Amino acid sequence: KAGVTQTPRYLIKTRGQQVTLSCSPISGHRSVSWYQQTPGQGLQFLFEYFSETQRNKGNFPGRFSGRQFSNSRSEMNVSTLELGDSALYLCASSWTVNTEAFFGQGTRLTVV
Amino acid sequence: GDSVTQMEGPVTLSEEAFLTINCTYTATGYPSLFWYVQYPGEGLQLLLKATKADDKGSNKGFEATYRKETTSFHLEKGSVQVSDSAVYFCALSGIQGAQKLVFGQGTRLTINP
Repeated sequence: KAGVTQTPRYLIKTRGQQVTLSCSPISGHRSVSWYQQTPGQGLQFLFEYFSETQRNKGNFPGRFSGRQFSNSRSEMNVSTLELGDSALYLCASSWTVNTEAFFGQGTRLTVV
Repeated sequence: GDSVTQMEGPVTLSEEAFLTINCTYTATGYPSLFWYVQYPGEGLQLLLKATKADDKGSNKGFEATYRKETTSFHLEKGSVQVSDSAVYFCALSGIQGAQKLVFGQGTRLTINP
């Protein structure tokens, strides 16, 4: 059974650009969550989707957005990139809410 | 709001030593508690979990008991191996009907042969 797949694994962008990260959950999983990991702030919750609906959103500016498609795949978008957006972005999927979350390997975003 | 506090790292031990990583939490209601492990260059892997008070989660020789009276979920292992070197995160899921995880700051563990 394939795990959670995040693409791309590494990304380098320039300040002011926008970026889209993709997450394919484990087959059959309908819940997808996104987290930002930085050395200074640790792991912070971005948002959570279930059956194409955003159920929860973390304390991030509106530049951070996401969506989930009917096949449960999810994307997150960051517009007008800032240096501080450099981080490892992790996606997690689960069968439904309050069940075990499985994480992908993450996308390492570097903003220069 | 909900929060998790872990002992400061890094922690360095010799192989076969006893390990304890402290974790305490603040939450309303009855959260589920988790320990995740992150190896270099990897995402997070669930190590163990407990969903109600007095539950003991265990996996790969690691154990943690959900203590509601002390709001704690300390991670223990009787004899660590070099392969246990990683970063360990304590987390809680406190909102019913949601998948949001609140993480501690992580504890880097290094085991020397």
